[in-house]
Amino acid sequence: ATQLTQSPSSLSASVGDRVTITCRASQGIGSALAWYQQKPGKAPKLLIYDASSLESGVPSRFSGSGSGTDFTLTISSLQPEDFATYYCQQFNSYPALTFGGGTKVEIK
Amino acid sequence: QVQLVESGGGVVQPGRSLRLSCAASGFTFSSYGMQWVRQAPGKGLEWVAVISYDGSNEYYGDSVKGRFTISRDNSKNTLYLQMNSLRAEDTAVYYCAKRQIQWVDSGAFDPWGQGTLVTVSS
Repeated sequence: ATQLTQSPSSLSASVGDRVTITCRASQGIGSALAWYQQKPGKAPKLLIYDASSLESGVPSRFSGSGSGTDFTLTISSLQPEDFATYYCQQFNSYPALTFGGGTKVEIK
Repeated sequence: QVQLVESGGGVVQPGRSLRLSCAASGFTFSSYGMQWVRQAPGKGLEWVAVISYDGSNEYYGDSVKGRFTISRDNSKNTLYLQMNSLRAEDTAVYYCAKRQIQWVDSGAFDPWGQGTLVTVSS
């Protein structure tokens, strides 16, 4: 099964900072990767699909890039409502649609 | 609007069974694949199972294979997760989620339900 490794596992940042989160796949998955945001006590919310496509209604400060094994989620200017945990999920390699371990974005 | 509502969670003893349901509304349920994902207290997301839009294909995570069964009743717009031989490590919030795109067995999932808590304890 394809493993996804996210880094860092947590980070502290200030409002207005540019934030980058990485997701590395153990084997090539093309562009079959999504990014989700989860706030405490809430269900995950889709931000990015197919590695770089912005889900409708998601602010344009979020962007995704990459293909193959290396992927990046970037928040261009961190806002107070962006403090949350972010997960990547691959959907190329059956039978397991694995998640990365998550990245918690905290206030500095 | 699209809505997914999970139910069936609760406290259950180790070794017993439980069936979760996910009631779907606001979209053509029979056109979309569905997944179950769980999250143990304070932990990350763990993928549990996925089923195709017509129920013809189903896949499971290694930790639940042989114990859990995903199914769907397209006439009732409902997804199920039958959980047998439950263990303490199955304690988690269980979420259902809908494929983003209809008629395919690939792609991201959106939206997700609010989750239902399963606690396995004696």
